Amino acid sequence: EIVLTQSPATLSLSPRERATLSCRASQSVGSSLAWYQQNPGQAPRLLISDASNRATGIPARFSGSGSGTDFTLTISSLEPEDFAVYYCHQRSKWPWTFGQGTTVGVK
Amino acid sequence: EVQLLESGGGLVQPGGSLTLSCTASGFAFSESALSWVRQAPGKGLEWVSTVGTADDTYYLDSVKDRFTVSRDISKNMLYLQMNSLRADDTALYYCAKNPVGDFLDSWGQGALVTVSP
Repeated sequence: EIVLTQSPATLSLSPRERATLSCRASQSVGSSLAWYQQNPGQAPRLLISDASNRATGIPARFSGSGSGTDFTLTISSLEPEDFAVYYCHQRSKWPWTFGQGTTVGVK
Repeated sequence: EVQLLESGGGLVQPGGSLTLSCTASGFAFSESALSWVRQAPGKGLEWVSTVGTADDTYYLDSVKDRFTVSRDISKNMLYLQMNSLRADDTALYYCAKNPVGDFLDSWGQGALVTVSP
């Protein structure tokens, strides 16, 4: 199976700072990678699909980049509601897999 | 508005069975694949199973031969029949829709399954 490794595990930042999250795949997934946000007690929400396409209703401060094995989610200026856990997910090959998550916390 | 509502969760003994249901509305049910994703308490997300628009099915290895995913297009319902449950199946089970060729773009709120003596 394709293993997705996210780094860092935890990111401590202040509002209005820039957040850069990484996801590395154990083999190429092309651009078949998504990012999700999960707030405590809530279901995950799709942010980015196909590595760089923002989902409907997602603010422009969220952007995704990368292809192959290395991917990045960037939040250009953190808003209070952005402090959450973020997961990457590949659907290139079965079984689908998720990264272990990056927690973006308040510094 | 897309809505996905899971039901059927609960406490079950190891080796027991449980069937989760997901009631869907607000989208073309027959034109979308549907998936189950679970999250053990305090842990990350784990994909469990997907049923495609042609009723093709896919499973996580650890649930293959124990879980069965199915859909009833006439009722807009998704199901996950779970047999031979183990303690490590304890999790919040989400149903989610993924348009053909796309990712999980809508999720339910989850159904909690606890496997314990």
